[in-house]
Amino acid sequence: EDQVTQSPEALRLQEGESSSLNCSYTVSGLRGLFWYRQDPGKGPEFLFTLYSAGEEKEKERLKATLTKKESFLHITAPKPEDSATYLCAVSGYSTLTFGKGTMLLVSP
Amino acid sequence: DVKVTQSSRYLVKRTGEKVFLECVQDMDHENMFWYRQDPGLGLRLIYFSYDVKMKEKGDIPEGYSVSREKKERFSLILESASTNQTSMYLCASSGGLAGGGSEQFFGPGTRLTVL
Repeated sequence: EDQVTQSPEALRLQEGESSSLNCSYTVSGLRGLFWYRQDPGKGPEFLFTLYSAGEEKEKERLKATLTKKESFLHITAPKPEDSATYLCAVSGYSTLTFGKGTMLLVSP
Repeated sequence: DVKVTQSSRYLVKRTGEKVFLECVQDMDHENMFWYRQDPGLGLRLIYFSYDVKMKEKGDIPEGYSVSREKKERFSLILESASTNQTSMYLCASSGGLAGGGSEQFFGPGTRLTVL
C-alpha cells in the first residue's frame, strides 16, 4: 500500500525566513510525485511533478526536490501570500495517494 | 489552462435527500475523480472513471454512486444523504493513464452540509 507522510503538520515562519517542508513516501514503482498548494475553502492548485530521484523543479520562491524516499519543498524568502496548506501526493501503480499536508503560515 | 468546474460551492441538504454533485472539465481528459476532504483525514478517493460509462471504486465508495455519460462530465450521487457525509467534495481530472504519472487538476470544491 502506498503511503505518504508530510512533516511538519504546521509551520510558522517570519517573512523572509527560508525553510523546507518534507514529504516521505513508500510506493511500489514511483510514476510521479506531485506538490499542490491549497488555500482555505478552495481546491488544490497543482505546483510540480517530479519523476525521478535527483530531479528539481522551481517556481518563484518554491523549489521541489526528489530522492528515492522523500521530497522537499524549499521555500526561499517567503511572503505572507505563500501562506497555505501544501499537499504532496505520489502515484505508483494506482491512483494518487495524498499526504495530510503541511499548513504554512508566513507572518509579516 | 485546465478548467474544472463544480456545480455548487455550497450546498445544504437534509438527511435522506438524494444529492447530485456535478463536475465538468474542458480539457478532454480521460480520467475524472471524486474525493472528499475532512480535517485530519486528508483527501480520500471516493470513485474515479477512466472512460465514458466506466467507473472504479476508490477507498471510500460506500453511500455514493457515480455517473459518467459524457467525457467531460462526472457526477457524484448521494442516494440518501446522511450527516456523516457532511464534507468538502473535490472533483479532479487528468490525462493519460488513470493508474499514474499524470497530475490531477482540481475544481473549486463543494462544501456539503447535511442536516
